[in-house]
Amino acid sequence: AQTVTQSQPEMSVQEAETVTLSCTYDTSESDYYLFWYKQPPSRQMILVIRQEAYKQQNATENRFSVNFQKAAKSFSLKISDSQLGDAAMYFCAYRSANYGQNFVFGPGTRLSVLP
Amino acid sequence: NAGVTQTPKFQVLKTGQSMTLQCAQDMNHEYMSWYRQDPGMGLRLIHYSVGAGITDQGEVPNGYNVSRSTTEDFPLRLLSAAPSQTSVYFCASKGQGYGYTFGSGTRLTVV
Repeated sequence: AQTVTQSQPEMSVQEAETVTLSCTYDTSESDYYLFWYKQPPSRQMILVIRQEAYKQQNATENRFSVNFQKAAKSFSLKISDSQLGDAAMYFCAYRSANYGQNFVFGPGTRLSVLP
Repeated sequence: NAGVTQTPKFQVLKTGQSMTLQCAQDMNHEYMSWYRQDPGMGLRLIHYSVGAGITDQGEVPNGYNVSRSTTEDFPLRLLSAAPSQTSVYFCASKGQGYGYTFGSGTRLTVV
């Protein structure tokens, strides 16, 4: 079974600085998708960014980018120019490309942004 | 607005009571699922469905029951509530795209 690990339960960053959230995963599959979801205090789950495993190029979405290392099974999220609105819980998630539609989520990292 | 609607948003139950969490989507998604979110454990899959009439168990199905009589609705039933079922529950659906559409969640407290 696949597992997703986020080793940083809590992190903080100064406003306008850059922060990197770590995620590692374990799978025997070669084709899959990886995601980062943001959960602000409103409890809403918001998709931040996704990465297809067959793509070598790292995904970017405005101030959010990932460092995808397939061989190391690592998928970190970098947030540049951090804003107060980035404060939230961040979940890393895995989904197989060929076997079902279920997600496997990591335990989450709570990010605080300091003014 | 198109999306996933969960009701209620908050609920307090007494141990042993039963209740149903409602989930409805209007996007004609075949896949629907229920997750529970607990501190330090992320979201864990309870049950899922790949279409009307088809359901299957996830990682933590004990104490929960589901059915899928229509494409739109996927209710989650707690048969006899226990304090260990205190959690935040999310319903999610998926169409042809990559990611899920989540409901707004239900915070359930069992006393």
